[in-house]
Amino acid sequence: GAVVSQHPSRVICKSGTSVKIECRSLDFQATTMFWYRQFPKQSLMLMATSNEGSKATYEQGVEKDKFLINHASLTLSTLTVTSAHPEDSSFYICSAREIEKLFFGSGTQLSVL
Amino acid sequence: AQKITQTQPGMFVQEKEAVTLDCTYDTSDPSYGLFWYKQPSSGEMIFLIYQGSYDQQNATEGRYSLNFQKARKSANLVISASQLGDSAMYFCAMREGIYNFNKFYFGSGTKLNVKP
Repeated sequence: GAVVSQHPSRVICKSGTSVKIECRSLDFQATTMFWYRQFPKQSLMLMATSNEGSKATYEQGVEKDKFLINHASLTLSTLTVTSAHPEDSSFYICSAREIEKLFFGSGTQLSVL
Repeated sequence: AQKITQTQPGMFVQEKEAVTLDCTYDTSDPSYGLFWYKQPSSGEMIFLIYQGSYDQQNATEGRYSLNFQKARKSANLVISASQLGDSAMYFCAMREGIYNFNKFYFGSGTKLNVKP
């Protein structure tokens, strides 16, 4: 299957700082990428849809000013968690669409102290 | 109604045995896609297998096969010859519509434990 790379895999930061997570499609172009959040022992929750060259579409209840998404190229989308707080601690995972299939990155475990 | 239902929170299987993970789905859209992903403890979501709603044959990928029963709206995953490395969480998912990944639904997952 197609490869989606996500970095960093783990980040620990202080409350109030911002954290950027990168998601890259390595062997295909992805006009659309998705960002999910996953709480322990739960399924994935869609946060936003990242569209290359246009604004992201956020799901209801997701603060767009806190979770900034930039899809600057056909292979890269970034999620920036601004002014992170302990309640933002979670597992974040991106995915990229290749035609009819969806491939995921390896995820980022964010811990905010 | 739930779009994807996985009724087995946890499953045990003996190494080298086959195991079936259940998944039922609910949609009125004639065009949809069904997916299975494996999530080990490391967290990554590994794509295993895909079945399109118009595909006539059941999908197979190595030791993985998808038992697609359209009339019953079920898409069970069969893992043959289980290995210790198969121990993980398994998610069934559905894309509703041809390419509409905004309508992408996950089941609650099944945790598979392979015993030596």
